[in-house]
Amino acid sequence: DADVTQTPRNRITKTGKRIMLECSQTKGHDRMYWYRQDPGLGLRLIYYSFDVKDINKGEISDGYSVSRQAQAKFSLSLESAIPNQTALYFCATSDSGDNTEAFFGQGTRLTVV
Amino acid sequence: AQKITQTQPGMFVQEKEAVTLDCTYDTSDQSYGLFWYKQPSSGEMIFLIYQGSYDEQNATEGRYSLNFQKARKSANLVISASQLGDSAMYFCAMREWYSGAGSYQLTFGKGTKLSVIP
Repeated sequence: DADVTQTPRNRITKTGKRIMLECSQTKGHDRMYWYRQDPGLGLRLIYYSFDVKDINKGEISDGYSVSRQAQAKFSLSLESAIPNQTALYFCATSDSGDNTEAFFGQGTRLTVV
Repeated sequence: AQKITQTQPGMFVQEKEAVTLDCTYDTSDQSYGLFWYKQPSSGEMIFLIYQGSYDEQNATEGRYSLNFQKARKSANLVISASQLGDSAMYFCAMREWYSGAGSYQLTFGKGTKLSVIP
């Protein structure tokens, strides 16, 4: 089983619909992140959380919200999806050390039509 | 300004040859970390190698090495003896302290697509 699991892996949704992407991890890490990847733009940080009571906006948080339900669970919501939110979304976790690598889920490919 | 710059959108290398993927970064911090990730066509992000700003020796992990030139703010990835399975997107990333957020954050470059030719 993967250490960082994202569900769903693929999703097609209509403009205006609410959608939630879920992430769970078994690594015991405190820090969790949501990134989106667009062709030619690399990965950009949407939100991050350093513990259950800590939520922070990243570079591109507009149009998104998150919930840290437990240490192991971090979900990303699109309240009213729009086509330019079509992207590959990654959840990641890291240990609390300053220079430890981030471990990524396998990604969720979201298409908004 | 871009924090991480990868100037090569695409690269080709002959199988068994070595290849260098460029990465330059911009930071005023003294303490930071540099990472390289591989993304094959299947989409997952695979951690390859890490270099700390205070590390005096270049990091190496098997066929991967990081050519760290601190004064030039470059952290190039060198892949020796390329294999067909090395064909993928490669991302350089930097972790640095963001005082506004009161935390470390990881910033990615736009990536380099490497194609290994048989």
